Amino acid sequence: DAKTTQPTSMDCAEGRAANLPCNHSTISGNEYVYWYRQIHSQGPQYIIHGLKNNETNEMASLIITEDRKSSTLILPHATLRDTAVYYCIGLGYFSSGSARQLTFGSGTQLTVLP
Amino acid sequence: EPEVTQTPSHQVTQMGQEVILRCVPISNHLYFYWYRQILGQKVEFLVSFYNNEISEKSEIFDDQFSVERPDGSNFTLKIRSTKLEDSAMYFCASTRDTSSGNTIYFGEGSWLTVV
Repeated sequence: DAKTTQPTSMDCAEGRAANLPCNHSTISGNEYVYWYRQIHSQGPQYIIHGLKNNETNEMASLIITEDRKSSTLILPHATLRDTAVYYCIGLGYFSSGSARQLTFGSGTQLTVLP
Repeated sequence: EPEVTQTPSHQVTQMGQEVILRCVPISNHLYFYWYRQILGQKVEFLVSFYNNEISEKSEIFDDQFSVERPDGSNFTLKIRSTKLEDSAMYFCASTRDTSSGNTIYFGEGSWLTVV
Protein backbone atom coordinates (compact mmCIF):
# COMPACT_ATOMS: atom_id res chain seq x y z
CA ASP A 1 0.00 0.00 0.00
CA ALA A 2 1.15 3.51 -0.76
CA LYS A 3 2.25 5.53 2.24
CA THR A 4 0.10 8.62 2.54
CA THR A 5 0.86 11.86 4.34
CA GLN A 6 -1.85 14.20 5.62
CA PRO A 7 -1.84 17.26 7.85
CA THR A 8 -2.76 16.45 11.42
CA SER A 9 -5.55 18.99 11.65
CA MET A 10 -7.41 21.69 9.73
CA ASP A 11 -10.14 24.17 10.44
CA CYS A 12 -12.79 25.37 8.03
CA ALA A 13 -15.58 27.93 8.37
CA GLU A 14 -19.10 26.61 8.01
CA GLY A 15 -20.41 27.09 4.49
CA ARG A 16 -16.96 27.39 2.97
CA ALA A 17 -15.15 24.76 0.96
CA ALA A 18 -12.89 22.43 2.89
CA ASN A 19 -9.81 21.34 0.95
CA LEU A 20 -7.98 18.39 2.48
CA PRO A 21 -4.60 17.54 0.93
CA CYS A 22 -2.89 14.17 0.77
CA ASN A 23 0.54 13.20 -0.49
CA HIS A 24 0.99 9.69 -1.88
CA SER A 25 4.22 9.87 -3.83
CA THR A 26 4.83 6.09 -3.72
CA ILE A 27 1.47 5.13 -5.11
CA SER A 28 1.62 2.44 -7.79
CA GLY A 29 0.00 2.74 -11.17
CA ASN A 30 -3.03 0.58 -10.41
CA GLU A 31 -3.58 1.69 -6.85
CA TYR A 32 -6.73 3.70 -6.21
CA VAL A 33 -6.85 6.58 -3.75
CA TYR A 34 -9.72 6.23 -1.30
CA TRP A 35 -11.09 8.72 1.17
CA TYR A 36 -12.97 7.74 4.30
CA ARG A 37 -14.02 9.72 7.31
CA GLN A 38 -14.76 8.82 10.89
CA ILE A 39 -17.08 10.87 13.00
CA HIS A 40 -16.33 10.46 16.68
CA SER A 41 -15.52 6.70 16.82
CA GLN A 42 -18.36 5.73 14.50
CA GLY A 43 -17.58 3.31 11.69
CA PRO A 44 -15.38 4.66 8.89
CA GLN A 45 -17.62 6.13 6.22
CA TYR A 46 -16.69 5.87 2.55
CA ILE A 47 -16.54 9.21 0.78
CA ILE A 48 -15.00 8.85 -2.67
CA HIS A 49 -12.22 7.17 -4.60
CA GLY A 50 -10.30 7.72 -7.81
CA LEU A 51 -7.46 6.45 -9.94
CA LYS A 52 -6.39 9.13 -12.41
CA ASN A 53 -9.32 11.33 -13.24
CA ASN A 54 -11.00 13.82 -10.97
CA GLU A 55 -14.15 12.47 -9.40
CA THR A 56 -17.28 14.01 -7.93
CA ASN A 57 -20.21 12.55 -6.05
CA GLU A 58 -22.93 13.87 -3.77
CA MET A 59 -20.53 14.17 -0.86
CA ALA A 60 -17.30 15.51 -2.28
CA SER A 61 -14.89 16.04 -5.14
CA LEU A 62 -11.52 14.41 -5.53
CA ILE A 63 -8.75 16.14 -7.45
CA ILE A 64 -5.77 13.94 -8.33
CA THR A 65 -2.63 15.51 -9.76
CA GLU A 66 -1.47 14.35 -13.15
CA ASP A 67 1.57 12.57 -11.69
CA ARG A 68 -0.74 10.95 -9.07
CA LYS A 69 1.62 11.88 -6.27
CA SER A 70 -0.97 13.90 -4.41
CA SER A 71 -4.68 14.53 -4.22
CA THR A 72 -7.16 16.91 -2.61
CA LEU A 73 -10.55 16.09 -1.17
CA ILE A 74 -12.98 18.97 -1.48
CA LEU A 75 -16.12 19.33 0.60
CA PRO A 76 -17.80 22.16 -1.31
CA HIS A 77 -19.94 23.61 1.48
CA ALA A 78 -18.75 22.32 4.82
CA THR A 79 -21.27 21.94 7.64
CA LEU A 80 -20.78 21.33 11.35
CA ARG A 81 -21.65 17.67 10.73
CA ASP A 82 -18.58 17.35 8.52
CA THR A 83 -16.34 17.65 11.57
CA ALA A 84 -14.48 14.33 11.53
CA VAL A 85 -11.16 12.60 10.95
CA TYR A 86 -10.55 12.21 7.22
CA TYR A 87 -8.38 9.39 5.95
CA CYS A 88 -6.61 9.24 2.62
CA ILE A 89 -5.73 5.62 1.81
CA GLY A 90 -4.05 3.88 -1.06
CA LEU A 91 -5.94 0.64 -1.47
CA GLY A 92 -3.53 -2.14 -2.20
CA TYR A 93 -3.35 -5.88 -2.20
CA PHE A 94 -1.91 -8.19 0.39
CA SER A 95 1.46 -9.63 -0.61
CA SER A 96 -0.30 -12.88 -1.49
CA GLY A 97 -2.36 -11.02 -4.05
CA SER A 98 -5.59 -11.88 -2.32
CA ALA A 99 -8.19 -9.66 -0.77
CA ARG A 100 -7.54 -6.00 -0.39
CA GLN A 101 -7.30 -4.28 2.91
CA LEU A 102 -7.37 -0.69 4.05
CA THR A 103 -4.44 0.60 6.07
CA PHE A 104 -5.56 3.55 8.13
CA GLY A 105 -3.12 6.24 9.13
CA SER A 106 -3.76 9.02 11.58
CA GLY A 107 -5.76 11.12 9.11
CA THR A 108 -6.66 14.80 9.26
CA GLN A 109 -8.93 16.10 11.99
CA LEU A 110 -11.20 18.57 10.22
CA THR A 111 -13.05 20.95 12.50
CA VAL A 112 -15.81 22.99 10.92
CA LEU A 113 -16.28 26.21 12.83
CA PRO A 114 -19.62 28.06 13.11
CA GLU B 1 -29.09 2.03 1.06
CA PRO B 2 -27.65 -1.37 2.06
CA GLU B 3 -25.49 -1.31 5.15
CA VAL B 4 -23.34 -3.48 7.35
CA THR B 5 -25.01 -4.05 10.70
CA GLN B 6 -23.31 -5.07 13.93
CA THR B 7 -24.51 -6.35 17.28
CA PRO B 8 -24.19 -5.67 20.11
CA SER B 9 -23.43 -1.97 19.97
CA HIS B 10 -21.80 -2.17 23.38
CA GLN B 11 -20.79 -5.11 25.56
CA VAL B 12 -19.14 -5.22 28.95
CA THR B 13 -17.49 -8.51 29.88
CA GLN B 14 -15.34 -9.92 32.63
CA MET B 15 -11.72 -10.67 31.86
CA GLY B 16 -11.33 -14.29 30.78
CA GLN B 17 -14.86 -14.59 29.41
CA GLU B 18 -15.69 -15.47 25.83
CA VAL B 19 -17.26 -12.83 23.62
CA ILE B 20 -18.95 -13.15 20.24
CA LEU B 21 -19.45 -10.08 18.11
CA ARG B 22 -21.90 -10.38 15.26
CA CYS B 23 -22.09 -8.76 11.88
CA VAL B 24 -24.50 -8.93 8.97
CA PRO B 25 -22.59 -7.87 5.86
CA ILE B 26 -24.25 -6.34 2.83
CA SER B 27 -26.19 -9.11 1.14
CA ASN B 28 -24.35 -9.54 -2.16
CA HIS B 29 -20.89 -9.05 -0.67
CA LEU B 30 -18.39 -11.89 -0.62
CA TYR B 31 -15.39 -10.53 1.28
CA PHE B 32 -15.59 -9.76 4.96
CA TYR B 33 -13.27 -8.04 7.40
CA TRP B 34 -12.82 -7.27 11.04
CA TYR B 35 -10.95 -4.18 12.18
CA ARG B 36 -10.51 -2.79 15.65
CA GLN B 37 -9.78 0.62 17.14
CA ILE B 38 -8.47 1.04 20.65
CA LEU B 39 -9.63 4.33 22.12
CA GLY B 40 -7.55 7.19 20.75
CA GLN B 41 -5.59 4.98 18.35
CA LYS B 42 -5.69 4.09 14.66
CA VAL B 43 -8.12 1.69 13.03
CA GLU B 44 -6.24 -1.63 12.75
CA PHE B 45 -6.84 -4.58 10.44
CA LEU B 46 -7.52 -7.91 12.13
CA VAL B 47 -8.66 -10.42 9.53
CA SER B 48 -10.22 -10.89 6.13
CA PHE B 49 -12.48 -13.78 5.16
CA TYR B 50 -13.56 -15.17 1.83
CA ASN B 51 -15.15 -18.41 0.67
CA ASN B 52 -15.52 -19.67 4.23
CA GLU B 53 -11.90 -19.30 5.14
CA ILE B 54 -9.47 -16.71 6.38
CA SER B 55 -7.72 -14.88 3.56
CA GLU B 56 -5.32 -12.79 5.60
CA LYS B 57 -4.79 -11.98 9.25
CA SER B 58 -2.65 -9.54 11.17
CA GLU B 59 -0.32 -10.20 14.08
CA ILE B 60 -3.08 -9.03 16.39
CA PHE B 61 -5.30 -11.92 15.31
CA ASP B 62 -3.77 -14.61 17.50
CA ASP B 63 -5.15 -17.93 18.72
CA GLN B 64 -7.68 -16.34 21.02
CA PHE B 65 -9.52 -14.89 18.03
CA SER B 66 -11.63 -16.80 15.53
CA VAL B 67 -14.09 -15.90 12.81
CA GLU B 68 -16.98 -17.81 11.38
CA ARG B 69 -19.79 -17.49 8.91
CA PRO B 70 -22.29 -19.82 10.58
CA ASP B 71 -25.06 -19.24 8.05
CA GLY B 72 -25.63 -17.31 4.85
CA SER B 73 -25.92 -13.94 6.49
CA ASN B 74 -23.95 -13.64 9.73
CA PHE B 75 -20.22 -13.17 10.17
CA THR B 76 -18.90 -13.47 13.71
CA LEU B 77 -15.75 -12.63 15.62
CA LYS B 78 -15.11 -14.69 18.73
CA ILE B 79 -12.63 -13.74 21.40
CA ARG B 80 -12.07 -16.87 23.42
CA SER B 81 -10.64 -15.50 26.66
CA THR B 82 -10.83 -11.75 26.82
CA LYS B 83 -8.05 -9.59 28.22
CA LEU B 84 -8.16 -6.02 29.40
CA GLU B 85 -6.26 -4.94 26.29
CA ASP B 86 -9.03 -6.32 24.07
CA SER B 87 -11.16 -3.34 25.07
CA ALA B 88 -11.77 -1.56 21.80
CA MET B 89 -14.29 -0.73 19.13
CA TYR B 90 -14.57 -3.61 16.67
CA PHE B 91 -15.67 -2.84 13.12
CA CYS B 92 -16.98 -5.31 10.60
CA ALA B 93 -16.63 -4.48 6.92
CA SER B 94 -17.58 -6.06 3.63
CA THR B 95 -17.06 -5.67 -0.08
CA ARG B 96 -18.49 -7.34 -3.15
CA ASP B 97 -15.15 -8.24 -4.64
CA THR B 98 -11.59 -7.13 -4.50
CA SER B 99 -11.24 -5.73 -7.97
CA SER B 100 -9.71 -2.33 -8.38
CA GLY B 101 -12.05 0.48 -7.58
CA ASN B 102 -14.44 -1.51 -5.45
CA THR B 103 -15.45 -0.13 -2.08
CA ILE B 104 -15.24 -1.60 1.41
CA TYR B 105 -18.17 -0.63 3.63
CA PHE B 106 -18.02 -0.54 7.41
CA GLY B 107 -20.54 -1.13 10.14
CA GLU B 108 -21.05 1.21 13.06
CA GLY B 109 -19.00 -0.94 15.38
CA SER B 110 -19.30 -2.92 18.58
CA TRP B 111 -17.74 -1.34 21.61
CA LEU B 112 -16.20 -3.99 23.85
CA THR B 113 -15.20 -3.16 27.40
CA VAL B 114 -13.28 -5.81 29.34
CA VAL B 115 -13.25 -5.31 33.10
